[in-house]
Amino acid sequence: EPEVTQTPSHQVTQMGQEVILRCVPISNHLYFYWYRQILGQKVEFLVSFYNNEISEKSEIFDDQFSVERPDGSNFTLKIRSTKLEDSAMYFCASSAQGQGSWVGNEQFFGPGTRLTVL
Amino acid sequence: AQTVTQSQPEMSVQEAETVTLSCTYDTSENNYYLFWYKQPPSRQMILVIRQEAYKQQNATENRFSVNFQKAAKSFSLKISDSQLGDTAMYFCAFIMVHNFNKFYFGSGTKLNVKP
Repeated sequence: EPEVTQTPSHQVTQMGQEVILRCVPISNHLYFYWYRQILGQKVEFLVSFYNNEISEKSEIFDDQFSVERPDGSNFTLKIRSTKLEDSAMYFCASSAQGQGSWVGNEQFFGPGTRLTVL
Repeated sequence: AQTVTQSQPEMSVQEAETVTLSCTYDTSENNYYLFWYKQPPSRQMILVIRQEAYKQQNATENRFSVNFQKAAKSFSLKISDSQLGDTAMYFCAFIMVHNFNKFYFGSGTKLNVKP
């Protein structure tokens, strides 16, 4: 069964460094998402992406963050200058559609990348 | 604003017993879906069960069932005949029909099934 994959599973970085988190969505999906979960807190929506554009972003998704689909398979989240508070689990998700009925809109999640900023 | 609250950070249950995980939510929307997702250790979140808000009948998937109380904005998950493979983090989540872009999640309940 197709799955969303994420690499690396764990990333350790120094404060101020740039990191790129990578995701490979399910191959025929068109909508892509990033969520994050700070330890012990809720999973929070960061951004949705469709047709090479951001569809929606949360207030968390400030200028330090960017997303890109550099080729036909990868979907990346870049944090330009990491802060201690960026330490979290980052989940990627994809769905076949983004509107209409739920059928086809189900979001499939990756296993997450744990980002630790020192 | 939409919020989802899971008040039980961690629970334990003996194998073959029944356990109920609690979830409450807050929204002014009338059309939405509610979900329970399961995340086994080091694995991706997988959908356990889904409930459409317009349906009064509680959803059931094999050993998993929900108690959906729309007026009380409560959506609990019951796991019957618990199995060791049910050990996981369980997330309650909510999505609005007019915006499938954005899930609202709770903070999760870690369920330990003991042999």
